[in-house]
This record gives sequence, C-alpha cells and structure tokens, in this order.
Amino acid sequence: GNSVTQMEGPVTLSEEAFLTINCTYTATGYPSLFWYVQYPGEGLQLLLKATKADDKGSNKGFEATYRKETTSFHLEKGSVQVSDSAVYFCALSDTLSGGYQKVTFGTGTKLQVIP
Amino acid sequence: EAQVTQNPRYLITVTGKKLTVTCSQNMNHEYMSWYRQDPGLGLRQIYYSMNVEVTDKGDVPEGYKVSRKEKRNFPLILESPSPNQTSLYFCASSPRTFRGIGSNQPQHFGDGTRLSIL
Repeated sequence: GNSVTQMEGPVTLSEEAFLTINCTYTATGYPSLFWYVQYPGEGLQLLLKATKADDKGSNKGFEATYRKETTSFHLEKGSVQVSDSAVYFCALSDTLSGGYQKVTFGTGTKLQVIP
Repeated sequence: EAQVTQNPRYLITVTGKKLTVTCSQNMNHEYMSWYRQDPGLGLRQIYYSMNVEVTDKGDVPEGYKVSRKEKRNFPLILESPSPNQTSLYFCASSPRTFRGIGSNQPQHFGDGTRLSIL
C-alpha cells in the first residue's frame, strides 16, 4: 500500500533560519502530494499541494517540488518566523476504484522557531 | 463561512459508556472521514463515507461505528469505549473526485475532539 515517511522532529530553528522538512513516499499510482500544517489546538490546514511530477506548490513562503524520480516532496522555507511554529504533515492522495480519494499521512514533524 | 464543526471539543468519560462525537460540514461535500491522531503515528483513518448511506472501513475501524443519514453529518460512535481509544479525533470532508481528473482535492478538517477514556 501507499506510505509517507517524514523526518522525525522536533526541529528547532532560530528565526530567519532556512527550513527543510524531508518527505518521501511510496505509491503504486500517480498520487497528488500535500503539505498540511497544524497549529496548536486546531485542525489541519492545507499549506500547499502538487498534483503531478515536477509541479511546485507554494504558499506563505513555503515551497515543495514533486520529484517523481526520488519519490520526494520536501518542504522548504527560506526564512522562518516564530509564527511558523506548528506541526507539519506530508500526505499523498490517490484515487481508489469507485472514485474515493484515499489520503495517507506522514507522522508529522513539529517545528519550533525561537526568537 | 465554510467549515467542519465537531462536538464536543473535549470529553472525559469512563470505560463502557457509549458516546457520540458529531461532525457537520456546510460545503456540500460528498466525502467525509474520521481520523485519530496519536503521538508518533500521525493521522490514521477510522472510517470514511463516499456519500449518503455509503460508508466503509479505514485503517483502524475496530471499536467504532459511523452513520451517514444526511450529506452534512457524519457522527462517530463509540459503543463501548476503552482506554486505548483515548486520542485526538478529527473529522474531515472533501468534494468528490472523478476518475481521470485526479485526486487533488484537499481535505477540510474540523478543530478536533480530545477524548480521554478512564
């Protein structure tokens, strides 16, 4: 079956540091890839997505490129802020027979940004 | 405002006492799901529904029931809760996808329900 592997956290960075959170996946089909963010006490929110190979998703200064050759979707940001402190989930979505969209999540990576 | 609403947000209860967590969405989405979130395990799907009266098991369905009598509502039922069901639960919805168009619709999540079963 499909699976998503994320780097373990927590990741602690100083403000304005460069961020990379690694994500690799295994899938039998042609999945779409997502990054979700979870702020304390809240549900997951879509951060960005990419639907096919070589697509780059971007939002709020975060970027991730769908790399089919390395089955990766690493999240990057050039300069993190304290407000970026949250848990980040990598996910893939694939369509099952019958049309249902099955989503598989990674285990999440907690990011803490210190002033 | 487009949203997924879960109730209650927090609940402490005892083993064996039936409980229901409600979930409602106002986006007319066909698909709805329940997940549980546990440290080190990420989100695991409990049950999902493709439409009214159509539900199916996810990855960890044991000990849970669901129903989908109306499009907007998807309650999660614990008939006889046990301590290993202590967790953070999320309901999510998404619009229907069509074969050939791709599975690129994001999930919309509620704010979560923290259940503690003593």
